[in-house]
Amino acid sequence: EAEVAQSPRYKITEKSQAVAFWCDPISGHATLYWYRQILGQGPELLVQFQDESVVDDSQLPKDRFSAERLKGVDSTLKIQPAELGDSAMYLCASSLAASGSPGQETQYFGPGTRLLVL
Amino acid sequence: AQTVTQSQPEMSVQEAETVTLSCTYDTSESDYYLFWYKQPPSRQMILVIRQEAYKQQNATENRFSVNFQKAAKSFSLKISDSQLGDAAMYFCAYRTWGLTFGEGTQLTVNP
Repeated sequence: EAEVAQSPRYKITEKSQAVAFWCDPISGHATLYWYRQILGQGPELLVQFQDESVVDDSQLPKDRFSAERLKGVDSTLKIQPAELGDSAMYLCASSLAASGSPGQETQYFGPGTRLLVL
Repeated sequence: AQTVTQSQPEMSVQEAETVTLSCTYDTSESDYYLFWYKQPPSRQMILVIRQEAYKQQNATENRFSVNFQKAAKSFSLKISDSQLGDAAMYFCAYRTWGLTFGEGTQLTVNP
């Protein structure tokens, strides 16, 4: 069964350093999402891509976070510089399409990257 | 902005018994979707059940069913014949584009 792949699974870094997370969605899925999940809370949407275009990045802290999906397939989320408050699980999800009735499409989640900033 | 509220941070149930997890949401939209996701410890989030707002009939998936009250903006999850493998964090989520999640309910299943 196809799955969303994420790497690394765990990342420890010091504050002010740069970190990057990678996500490979299920083949054929046009829509890709990055979520941040702080321990004990529900995930929060950071950015949504439709193919290579950003659909929604209203919750992305753009002063330090960036996301790209250059060829409309895999995606990278970067934090520079990392801060203590960035410690969280970063989840990637994908769905088949977002046109028409976007809520109709089921989102499939990857295993996440757990980030610890020291 | 849409908000999702899960008022039960923790719930417990005896194996084989039934448990209901509560969820309320706030939206001005008329067309949307509601979901329950399950996140087992150290494992990825998986979809449990979904409900289209335009459907009056409550969704059912095997032992999982929902009670969707659109006017009250309520969307509860009922788990029947609870099993040890049901132990997880359960998230209620609302969607137009990206998902808006509640804070989660930690479900413990006691043998």
